[in-house]
Amino acid sequence: TQLLEQSPQFLSIQEGENLTVYCNSSSVFSSLQWYRQEPGEGPVLLVTVVTGGEVKKLKRLTFQFGDARKDSSLHITAAQTGDTGLYLCAGGWSTSGTYKYIFGTGTRLKVLA
Amino acid sequence: DADVTQTPRNRITKTGKRIMLECSQTKGHDRMYWYRQDPGLGLRLIYYSFDVKDINKGEISDGYSVSRQAQAKFSLSLESAIPNQTALYFCATSERDIRKRGEQFFGPGTRLTVL
Repeated sequence: TQLLEQSPQFLSIQEGENLTVYCNSSSVFSSLQWYRQEPGEGPVLLVTVVTGGEVKKLKRLTFQFGDARKDSSLHITAAQTGDTGLYLCAGGWSTSGTYKYIFGTGTRLKVLA
Repeated sequence: DADVTQTPRNRITKTGKRIMLECSQTKGHDRMYWYRQDPGLGLRLIYYSFDVKDINKGEISDGYSVSRQAQAKFSLSLESAIPNQTALYFCATSERDIRKRGEQFFGPGTRLTVL
């Protein structure tokens, strides 16, 4: 069974601090996405990574896909209160001719002013 | 206007009642999904549809049914609601393009409470 474990589950930091969120699995994914979800809304896609070792930047957010495509990290530089939300990773893989997709349980981030 | 809409946004119902949640999209995507979200359990797939004639069960389909009325519409039904179906329900869409199949676009969700 494919599982995506995210750590930490909860994170509360002061504005201006840096942080890293991790997404780990024992299995290989063909692609991995990161989403952010705010209260009362659906998840919003932030980025897709597909190549082992790939690094993508979105303003103050840096996403990295592990070399073996089993894990990923999200690093936020100089966090702002607007970064508060639930961060979800999700990964897909093909098996027996079908495509499977699962979500991690999420990291809930609170950035304090 | 939102690309993926869900109705209703909130619903309180009683055990045993039949409930239908509706989803519409203007993104032109072929693929549509229904998820439920519970605290500590993340998003779990209930059903998915790759086109109007292709509907598949997800990991937690028991107690649910779906209907894909058109490319743009995908409904989720709870035939006889029970309290442990209390959750946030999300509809999502994605493109047919194999390179983009992991990129999903979500509606705003329906908060369902079963008493």
